[in-house]
Amino acid sequence: DVKVTQSSRYLVKRTGEKVFLECVQDMDHENMFWYRQDPGLGLRLIYFSYDVKMKEKGDIPEGYSVSREKKERFSLILESASTNQTSMYLCAAGKGIGGGYTFGSGTRLTVV
Amino acid sequence: DQQVKQNSPSLSVQEGRISILNCDYTNSMFDYFLWYKKYPAEGPTFLISISSIKDKNEDGRFTVFLNKSAKHLSLHIVPSQPGDSAVYFCAATLLNDYKLSFGAGTTVTVRA
Repeated sequence: DVKVTQSSRYLVKRTGEKVFLECVQDMDHENMFWYRQDPGLGLRLIYFSYDVKMKEKGDIPEGYSVSREKKERFSLILESASTNQTSMYLCAAGKGIGGGYTFGSGTRLTVV
Repeated sequence: DQQVKQNSPSLSVQEGRISILNCDYTNSMFDYFLWYKKYPAEGPTFLISISSIKDKNEDGRFTVFLNKSAKHLSLHIVPSQPGDSAVYFCAATLLNDYKLSFGAGTTVTVRA
């Protein structure tokens, strides 16, 4: 099984700060994703990447950017954190849709 | 607008009985559906999936039913166990797309 590791379980940041959320997978999978989970809204796709240096916007990319310089690492960047970005952020990785994707444990980000 | 909807935010069931979770979707082009299970402070884990060319898929205590004409799928858990208490997310995708569209989730509580 793919293991997906998110560097922080909990983060508290100030409004306006630049925030980096890191995600690493331990297998050679092409696809990596960043979702945020909010009550009543489920999981919403922010960005995904299907190869190194390749990225595509998801459903809610505003206020975010991503970086994928190496196959195993996919970073989510909040350019200027705002309180409405307080959320649970989930990274996922996998080869294809058939077996589903593997998620990390999540990073609970609070912006104050 | 969410393309995948789980209209029941919560479900309480007695241990040993059947749990039935429902999911509706609006995009008739979806051709693959998945269920994920999530415990607090953990990432979602893949549970079971179904292709649009099938109407049923079974894996142990878990069965997913798909009704394409109604754009509806359901997850049956029989018998329900205390360890099944979790949030369940329904997801859908196109096979030529890597993105998953998730519902808002249903919290299942199994009573002893």
